[in-house]
Amino acid sequence: DADVTQTPRNRITKTGKRIMLECSQTKGHDRMYWYRQDPGLGLRLIYYSFDVKDINKGEISDGYSVSRQAQAKFSLSLESAIPNQTALYFCATSDLWGSTDTQYFGPGTRLTVL
Amino acid sequence: RKEVEQDPGPFNVPEGATVAFNCTYSNSASQSFFWYRQDCRKEPKLLMSVYSSGNEDGRFTAQLNRASQYISLLIRDSKLSDSATYLCVVNEGSYIPTFGRGTSLIVHP
Repeated sequence: DADVTQTPRNRITKTGKRIMLECSQTKGHDRMYWYRQDPGLGLRLIYYSFDVKDINKGEISDGYSVSRQAQAKFSLSLESAIPNQTALYFCATSDLWGSTDTQYFGPGTRLTVL
Repeated sequence: RKEVEQDPGPFNVPEGATVAFNCTYSNSASQSFFWYRQDCRKEPKLLMSVYSSGNEDGRFTAQLNRASQYISLLIRDSKLSDSATYLCVVNEGSYIPTFGRGTSLIVHP
């Protein structure tokens, strides 16, 4: 079974709709991250959390919110989706106590906003 | 804004070739460095960490040059299966990684 899972894997929605992307991990890691990836722009950090009570904005947080429901779960919400939020979204985890700080990614959610 | 720069390529090489990518970073306080591999429409996966002394893993060699602020990845004896995008990642010590935009490699028969 995958250590980092994301649901849904694909989603098509309309402008103005509220969307929630969910991420779960079984790695026992404290740190969790949400990224979006657009062609030619690489991975950009949206939000990150170092533990359940810690939420931080990343490079491109406008239009997004997050919830860290438990150590294992980190959800990303688009309150009112717009077409330029069409992208590939990745959740990732890393180990607070790890020396190498490797990031482990989920399989991604492909979101299309019409 | 902290920058991590990579040549997007694509690097188009025949099987068996040796190919090298560089990645430059702007923050001299950066503390850890990585190369990730990403296949088309898939998640990035760690290829190797980059250590100050340089490190090798089979056909892959990573080097760090702190003075010139760049890291490199050398792939020897390229295989068709090496075709992917290679992402350079730099951590400043705050555990917030900065990703380069990636370098595309195409290995052809």
